[in-house]
Amino acid sequence: NAGVTQTPKFQVLKTGQSMTLQCAQDMNHNSMYWYRQDPGMGLRLIYYSASEGTTDKGEVPNGYNVSRLNKREFSLRLESAAPSQTSVYFCASSEIVGANNEQFFGPGTRLTVL
Amino acid sequence: AQSVSQHNHHVILSEAASLELGCNYSYGGTVNLFWYVQYPGQHLQLLLKYFSGDPLVKGIKGFEAEFIKSKFSFNLRKPSVQWSDTAEYFCAVPGSSNTGKLIFGQGTTLQVKP
Repeated sequence: NAGVTQTPKFQVLKTGQSMTLQCAQDMNHNSMYWYRQDPGMGLRLIYYSASEGTTDKGEVPNGYNVSRLNKREFSLRLESAAPSQTSVYFCASSEIVGANNEQFFGPGTRLTVL
Repeated sequence: AQSVSQHNHHVILSEAASLELGCNYSYGGTVNLFWYVQYPGQHLQLLLKYFSGDPLVKGIKGFEAEFIKSKFSFNLRKPSVQWSDTAEYFCAVPGSSNTGKLIFGQGTTLQVKP
């Protein structure tokens, strides 16, 4: 049981390049999330998917797209990377049971855009 | 809109000192509260959570938090910190009960000196 996995762990891009961050979970959770973490700003939600086949914008969606490929996988794409997207990206998943919406996090992807 | 505020951004303590990290929230729905911890270079993991019942919640590694409804607070405490408690701590509340979104505070960096 690996939980939430993310690839790659590290990535360096040049401005304007594109890339896709991959996320997969093996806990059979319905909901998945992408966050970015920047110093002094906590975690900010980029996009989320409440269930397979649905995606919605979070707090900071500009410059990103997502795909919920199936129940297990939720990818985040940067079409044209910008230095402002230098950050640590975390994927998370959850299964809402009653009032319990505890999220489980992946190890993160550290992205640098030059 | 829901919000979370953590007042202490950076805390430095010596080993064996007592810890209290502040968390205040603004939330109009059923109150569910979380504390997550992020050790250096690692992903976020759940420290403790409150849904209902006893307002004093005990978590892993000797941490506890007290929900005080009248003060909209959920402060994290530990009687005696260890060097291994050096980490970043995040308070979180639900963004929406239907989607499982969480709103995170800005985080508090705790540095414990040996």
